[in-house]
Amino acid sequence: KQEVTQIPAALSVPEGENLVLNCSFTDSAIYNLQWFRQDPGKGLTSLLLIQSSQREQTSGRLNASLDKSSGRSTLYIAASQPGDSATYLCAVDNTDKLIFGTGTRLQVFP
Amino acid sequence: ETGVTQSPTHLIKTRGQQVTLRCSSQSGHNTVSWYQQALGQGPQFIFQYYREEENGRGNFPPRFSGLQFPNYSSELNVNALELDDSALYLCASSSQGIEGYTFGSGTRLTVV
Repeated sequence: KQEVTQIPAALSVPEGENLVLNCSFTDSAIYNLQWFRQDPGKGLTSLLLIQSSQREQTSGRLNASLDKSSGRSTLYIAASQPGDSATYLCAVDNTDKLIFGTGTRLQVFP
Repeated sequence: ETGVTQSPTHLIKTRGQQVTLRCSSQSGHNTVSWYQQALGQGPQFIFQYYREEENGRGNFPPRFSGLQFPNYSSELNVNALELDDSALYLCASSSQGIEGYTFGSGTRLTVV
């Protein structure tokens, strides 16, 4: 049974710091891995999709890597801003559904 | 290109009642999935629909049921509501997951 774990559960940092959010999964036979952002009480916004044949994806200040053999993905946020404050969710695609971690709640203060 | 839209945004129901939530998929997407997100938790997979047929189901009882229509929109029905059904219900559409999933803003259901 696929299980997804995210570390840390919460993070509070001053503006400008570079951040690393971690995601691990127990079954390496995944189709895709997707990172989402969720603001309080809102839906999910897709940040990055890494297909199983890829090792990383970049979008602006965000970079996500995928190592299937070790069951790990990392989301790197450069030069964090207060507007980055949200919960970040990692989800692995097991071909017919997404399995989510419980998220990392990020607060960036000025 | 329109995104995924869900209605209503908020809903309050009494225990034992029935509820229907609605979702319009993103243009070009043929697969719709539903997720339940309890407070402080990650979303949990309820079921997925492809070509109007259920194409996968999570660990939810039969009182959770759904439909997909020819235009790929979808409904989630929950019968005999329980207090624990209070959650954010998220709809996601995809092209069979090939380019990832697009989520709607969710429906906040409160059962009292």
